[in-house]
Amino acid sequence: EAGVVQSPRYKIIEKKQPVAFWCNPISGHNTLYWYLQNLGQGPELLIRYENEEAVDDSQLPKDRFSAERLKGVDSTLKIQPAELGDSAVYLCASSFSWGGPNTGELFFGEGSRLTVL
Amino acid sequence: SQQGEEDPQALSIQEGENATMNCSYKTSINNLQWYRQNSGRGLVHLILIRSNEREKHSGRLRVTLDTSKKSSSLLITASRAADTASYFCATEDNYGQNFVFGPGTRLSVLP
Repeated sequence: EAGVVQSPRYKIIEKKQPVAFWCNPISGHNTLYWYLQNLGQGPELLIRYENEEAVDDSQLPKDRFSAERLKGVDSTLKIQPAELGDSAVYLCASSFSWGGPNTGELFFGEGSRLTVL
Repeated sequence: SQQGEEDPQALSIQEGENATMNCSYKTSINNLQWYRQNSGRGLVHLILIRSNEREKHSGRLRVTLDTSKKSSSLLITASRAADTASYFCATEDNYGQNFVFGPGTRLSVLP
């Protein structure tokens, strides 16, 4: 079974340029998360989707960040324009929420490492 | 803000020794999870312990949870060089399925 797939793995851009990250979750997973991880820190939630609905985007800087999850499957995270402080790893995770004993386990992709120059 | 706080921030041990990491959190939880992250990779789920459980085992891993102290510990027995990684605790709050991660413990197992 394929895991969570993210692309690109690495991206280097100049500040003020736009950038987009793509995530394909595990088939059948209804919940999708985007996390930001700074060097030496734990992941911080940016946005959580339940199917195609963004149920928690309180930590998403909406002036420059946007996300979408069309048809409740793949998702894209966009930054426009990028700033120097956006350099980080952007992690996508998915899970299947059904209230059973495995509820809550997150499956992470390898992440997209962004460097803003 | 991060609810979980791991302790210590970094740990260096010899192969074969046991490694213990602690996690403290602030609010009520439904469950607590531990994840491992190898350098440059995504996080991998290790074990989940529910708020009504006190101890759980999985292979060389032993997790305890003390809800009265709002703390958990992860014990890795007979450590191997391949256990070198960062370990994170994550808590799920009572209001939904938001997972809050701590800053992690960086474990180095020396051969």
